[in-house]
Amino acid sequence: SQQGEEDPQALSIQEGENATMNCSYKTSINNLQWYRQNSGRGLVHLILIRSNEREKHSGRLRVTLDTSKKSSSLLITASRAADTASYFCATGSGGSYIPTFGRGTSLIVHP
Amino acid sequence: NAGVTQTPKFRVLKTGQSMTLLCAQDMNHEYMYWYRQDPGMGLRLIHYSVGEGTTAKGEVPDGYNVSRLKKQNFLLGLESAAPSQTSVYFCASSTDYEQYFGPGTRLTVT
Repeated sequence: SQQGEEDPQALSIQEGENATMNCSYKTSINNLQWYRQNSGRGLVHLILIRSNEREKHSGRLRVTLDTSKKSSSLLITASRAADTASYFCATGSGGSYIPTFGRGTSLIVHP
Repeated sequence: NAGVTQTPKFRVLKTGQSMTLLCAQDMNHEYMYWYRQDPGMGLRLIHYSVGEGTTAKGEVPDGYNVSRLKKQNFLLGLESAAPSQTSVYFCASSTDYEQYFGPGTRLTVT
């Protein structure tokens, strides 16, 4: 069963625009991760945010976490064609290192 | 470092045939995982290992077996392949929450 659910399922924007995708989950977590998957490739870790954090930045990425709403958002600023990929959230809970992945958001950035 | 590698990259099997997928990592990670990815389903955990000689079932273990005889290798076996096992298989490894993924194996069962 999926813990995190990404929204929207698909997003199409122009280069230079910002892209925002959201992840909602159902049970309490101790961390949430975002991964990127380029077509035909494995997933690549982008960022991890812990349950006691509200916001993290990494380059053009900004991740927020609202534990009261059980949701997270990933913002990619000034998007590039190379950002075209699927983005997955993965939630972690309890004492396990095993995350539960959502179904992903497919992002297309048009040049 | 090569990171996480998977062998083979592609395979076509007939129903009932068996095969083994090999995953190798050179990062000395304790944890290793096998996932399958199907359209619209995201990643589903098949089996995982928390250290050499250990294995445990994930979300969708039926029809698969695994072994972790060496710390750097994690093998996924299909004893009698079924069309429902057509999928892309990913191996991953980690020391903590951040997972490192291999490039995937695309398996088709006819």
